[in-house]
Amino acid sequence: RKEVEQDPGPFNVPEGATVAFNCTYSNSASQSFFWYRQDCRKEPKLLMSVYSSGNEDGRFTAQLNRASQYISLLIRDSKLSDSATYLCVLYNTNAGKSTFGDGTTLTVKP
Amino acid sequence: DAGVIQSPRHEVTEMGQEVTLRCKPISGHDYLFWYRQTMMRGLELLIYFNNNVPIDDSGMPEDRFSAKMPNASFSTLKIQPSEPRDSAVYFCASREGTTYEQYFGPGTRLTVT
Repeated sequence: RKEVEQDPGPFNVPEGATVAFNCTYSNSASQSFFWYRQDCRKEPKLLMSVYSSGNEDGRFTAQLNRASQYISLLIRDSKLSDSATYLCVLYNTNAGKSTFGDGTTLTVKP
Repeated sequence: DAGVIQSPRHEVTEMGQEVTLRCKPISGHDYLFWYRQTMMRGLELLIYFNNNVPIDDSGMPEDRFSAKMPNASFSTLKIQPSEPRDSAVYFCASREGTTYEQYFGPGTRLTVT
C-alpha cells in the first residue's frame, strides 16, 4: 500500500462548481500536511498547509482528520485557472522528509 | 528574493554520457532536496541535505547517481553513465529548518536517447 493515496481523477467540472479531493495516508506518525499545486510542465507550488482545526484561504478549504487518516481540499466557485494537478504532501518529523501523493488532476471547463 | 534556481532547464544527451544538474537554493534555507518526477512513478525523493551534509540518500536509484553540496548555495546531481530510463524531470527544492514547506525550482527536463 502506498504511504499516500489520491484519486488521480481527472475531475472535470464546469466553472463555478464546487469540487473536493481527498487524500488518505497510512503512516500515523505523519506530523504536517500540505496541498501543493502543479501546473502542466511546471514545478509544484505550495497551495496551503493543513491544520487540525481546518483552515480556509479564499475559495480553498483544507481539513485534516487524524482519526481516519485523511486530508481534504475543497474548492468553491471553480475558476478556469484552477485547472492543475493537486498534490497531497505529508511531512514525517521522525523521518525528516516529505512524501508526495501522485496527484489529482482537475480540469475546469467554461 | 530569487527562488530556487536550476540549470540547465533542458538537457538532451546520449546514453552513456555524464550528466550534471545544478541547483542554487533560496538564500538562508538550510535544507536542500533532489526529486525526480516521471509519469509512471510520480515525484520521488532522491536525496536531501541539511547544512550541506547528506542526510538521507535512500532514494538514489543506484551507484550511477551521486549528489554533492560543497557549500550552502550550490548543489549538483550527477548521473554517470546516463541511461534512457533516467529520462525525467529533476527538481531541486529547499526549505528553512523551522518550517516544513518546500520551495521548488523550475526543474531540469532530462532526455537520454
